[in-house]
Amino acid sequence: EIVLTQSPGTLSLSPGERATLSCRASQSVSSSYLAWYQKKSGQAPRILIYGASSRATGIPDRFSGSGSGTDFTLTISRLEPEDFGVYYCQQYGSSPYTFGQGTKLEIK
Amino acid sequence: DVQLVESGGGFVQPGGSLTLSCAASGFTFTSYSMNWFRQAPGKGLEWVSYISSSSSTMYYADSVKGRFTISRDNANNSLYLQMNSLRAEDTALYYCARGKPAGYWGQGTLVTVSS
Repeated sequence: EIVLTQSPGTLSLSPGERATLSCRASQSVSSSYLAWYQKKSGQAPRILIYGASSRATGIPDRFSGSGSGTDFTLTISRLEPEDFGVYYCQQYGSSPYTFGQGTKLEIK
Repeated sequence: DVQLVESGGGFVQPGGSLTLSCAASGFTFTSYSMNWFRQAPGKGLEWVSYISSSSSTMYYADSVKGRFTISRDNANNSLYLQMNSLRAEDTALYYCARGKPAGYWGQGTLVTVSS
């Protein structure tokens, strides 16, 4: 099983700032099958990034993903008020399709 | 528009059974794999199970293997999760989601396992 470790656990930033979220895998993620999701309370998760760096349909270009192998990063270039929530990475290259524990992005 | 609507959640005693359903519309159901995910109260997201478009491949999380069964009815655009031997730790909001990765999600159905 691939274990994903996200850091930091909580990120406190102000609107307009840059956010950098990390996701580290215990072994290489095949074909960069790594996705990022945003989860807000009371809402279904929303996919942001798939294939480590491809933005999903309708996702603003302030969201970007990078990385390969075991180290992946989600960057939000300039935070908007609606970006605050919990972010999860997930690998879908090999079953079980595990998630990281999440990074809570909160308003400073 | 893509729509996924889960149903079948509810309150069940430990050891009991429940079947969740997911009605899909707005896309060609037979072209997509499907998944079940869950989120327990105060916890993170957890992948539960995957089924390929033709039902030829199914995967399960270790936490549910041998107790849960995923299936689909392509004629009726429906996805199912049969849950047996339910435990308190299965209490969660269960989501169905389309594809790998999961690009579209339903709003979830709540399963509570308690005596």
